[in-house]
Amino acid sequence: ELKVEQNPLFLSMQEGKNYTIYCNYSTTSDRLYWYRQDPGKSLESLFVLLSNGAVKQEGRLMASLDTKARLSTLHITAAVHDLSATYFCAVDPLGGSEKLVFGKGTKLTVNP
Amino acid sequence: IAGITQAPTSQILAAGRRMTLRCTQDMRHNAMYWYRQDLGLGLRLIHYSNTAGTTGKGEVPDGYSVSRANTDDFPLTLASAVPSQTSVYFCASSDSQGQGYYGYTFGSGTRLTVV
Repeated sequence: ELKVEQNPLFLSMQEGKNYTIYCNYSTTSDRLYWYRQDPGKSLESLFVLLSNGAVKQEGRLMASLDTKARLSTLHITAAVHDLSATYFCAVDPLGGSEKLVFGKGTKLTVNP
Repeated sequence: IAGITQAPTSQILAAGRRMTLRCTQDMRHNAMYWYRQDLGLGLRLIHYSNTAGTTGKGEVPDGYSVSRANTDDFPLTLASAVPSQTSVYFCASSDSQGQGYYGYTFGSGTRLTVV
């Protein structure tokens, strides 16, 4: 059974600082997704990582995938308040089934 | 309609009552899913459908049923609601038969409270 673990689950950081959210998963997969959820809202797709070594960047967020280590990271550079949200990683366990298994989410709060 | 529409947005339901959550997509995606989101537990898959006419059970299917009569609609039914089914329910779809892999498109969610 695939397990997806995110850490930290809660992250409070100051504006301008850098930090990394980690997503570990327990079985082989080469498809990993990152989503953002604002309070009371739906989930919005951020990144799709489809191969070992994949790196995607959008603004102050950069995501990477290491399939050998079964690890993805979401790096935040020079955080701003607008990045405050809950971030989820999700793994496709069979490399194509698309029945995604989600981590529990990381609630990020960026303080002025 | 653009994307996925869920209805109702929220509902308070008496325990023991039957309830159907509606989900409609206009993207012609072949696959559709129902997840529930609970604080501290993330999103858990209830049921899925890879294509019209087929359905499958996810991680937490007990107490729920689904049908997929056509490509666009994927209703979720609670036959006899219990308080533990209080949750936020998200419908999602994906084009798993296409050339690319884009993950899910999510609906806006239904907040259900069973009292």
